[in-house]
Amino acid sequence: EPEVTQTPSHQVTQMGQEVILRCVPISNHLYFYWYRQILGQKVEFLVSFYNNEISEKSEIFDDQFSVERPDGSNFTLKIRSTKLEDSAMYFCASSEVTATANTGELFFGEGSRLTVL
Amino acid sequence: QKEVEQNSGPLSVPEGAIASLNCTYSDRVSQSFFWYRQYSGKSPELIMSIYSNGDKEDGRFTAQLNKASQYVSLLIRDSQPSDSATYLCAVNLDYGGSQGNLIFGKGTKLSVKP
Repeated sequence: EPEVTQTPSHQVTQMGQEVILRCVPISNHLYFYWYRQILGQKVEFLVSFYNNEISEKSEIFDDQFSVERPDGSNFTLKIRSTKLEDSAMYFCASSEVTATANTGELFFGEGSRLTVL
Repeated sequence: QKEVEQNSGPLSVPEGAIASLNCTYSDRVSQSFFWYRQYSGKSPELIMSIYSNGDKEDGRFTAQLNKASQYVSLLIRDSQPSDSATYLCAVNLDYGGSQGNLIFGKGTKLSVKP
């Protein structure tokens, strides 16, 4: 069964360092997303990406964050200068687009746990 | 502020019983509703989607939507210990290009006792 894959599964970094989280969405999906979940908290939307551009972003997704689709398969989240409060599980997701609309049914990867020291 | 509210639980049911999980949402323009299951330390897994008022059944799972009451529920029949997880309700506003921007509830922790 097709799945969203994410790397790395766990990354530990020092405050102020740059981090890149990578994702390979399901191949026939056209919408891509990043969500995050701080330990014990809700899953929170960060950004959606369609047709090689950001379609929507949340208040959390400030200037320290960026996304990119560098080739036909990868979708990356870059955090430029990490802060302690960026420690969370980051989930990539993708969804299918039918002839009429985005199904809105998101399929999540296993997540990348980011620990900022 | 758009909110999705769930009772955090834990909800404890015996094996074979029906588990009933509830969710309310604040924004009347919400159009799409989803239930995800999340095992501890794992990612959310889509169980059900529902878009119109009424019931939708898939195997042991039934989702119920009442837009007038801004209420969505999930029933799990013949609950199994493997159903023990946190169940997340998610709502998609689905207007003006907002597609896939899901607002999640905090989840209800379900425990099915053998």
